[in-house]
Amino acid sequence: SQTIHQWPATLVQPVGSPLSLECTVEGTSNPNLYWYRQAAGRGLQLLFYSVGIGQISSEVPQNLSASRPQDRQFILSSKKLLLSDSGFYLCAWITTGEVDGYTFGSGTRLTVV
Amino acid sequence: AQSVSQHNHHVILSEAASLELGCNYSYGGTVNLFWYVQYPGQHLQLLLKYFSGDPLVKGIKGFEAEFIKSKFSFNLRKPSVQWSDTAEYFCAVRGAARQLTFGSGTQLTVLP
Repeated sequence: SQTIHQWPATLVQPVGSPLSLECTVEGTSNPNLYWYRQAAGRGLQLLFYSVGIGQISSEVPQNLSASRPQDRQFILSSKKLLLSDSGFYLCAWITTGEVDGYTFGSGTRLTVV
Repeated sequence: AQSVSQHNHHVILSEAASLELGCNYSYGGTVNLFWYVQYPGQHLQLLLKYFSGDPLVKGIKGFEAEFIKSKFSFNLRKPSVQWSDTAEYFCAVRGAARQLTFGSGTQLTVLP
């Protein structure tokens, strides 16, 4: 079966510390992968997407970066977190030929203190 | 680049009232439009989608949406809301890389 794993579920990090959020999918190959952030009162914001290994597109210039070291792995990183990086981060995927909407991960609640 | 506007940030209705949530999009390519719903404490779920054909699309739980190309709109409707429809609703348009651009969302509160 096709599943998506995202961890950790919650994270509290101090300002200036690094960040690494991981997302992996199972049961599919060559998915398109996406990172979204849902900030309070601001809806869902697309951060990065990847159509293949090593291919990253950034939608919003910011303090974050993304990498796709393997076909089914998508990592969101930061070298130094800012208070404004707090939010709910969602990973999502869709396979080639899929006509339906995304499958979303369960999300990571990040609080920068 | 695509964009989506949802002008209603918070809508409060009584049970059995009719619902219409506005969504306007901007995108120069082939339009794929979606409505997602997020119930309290749950993941985003696909409510309905439009790819082509009949501009009136029906989704789950009695929801429907109408694609009006001339108005760049994809409004969500339900004839009679229930308390269980309380949730946040997101309109989205899909881009060339199949990335979804979401609107800022509309919080719907249905009073029993």
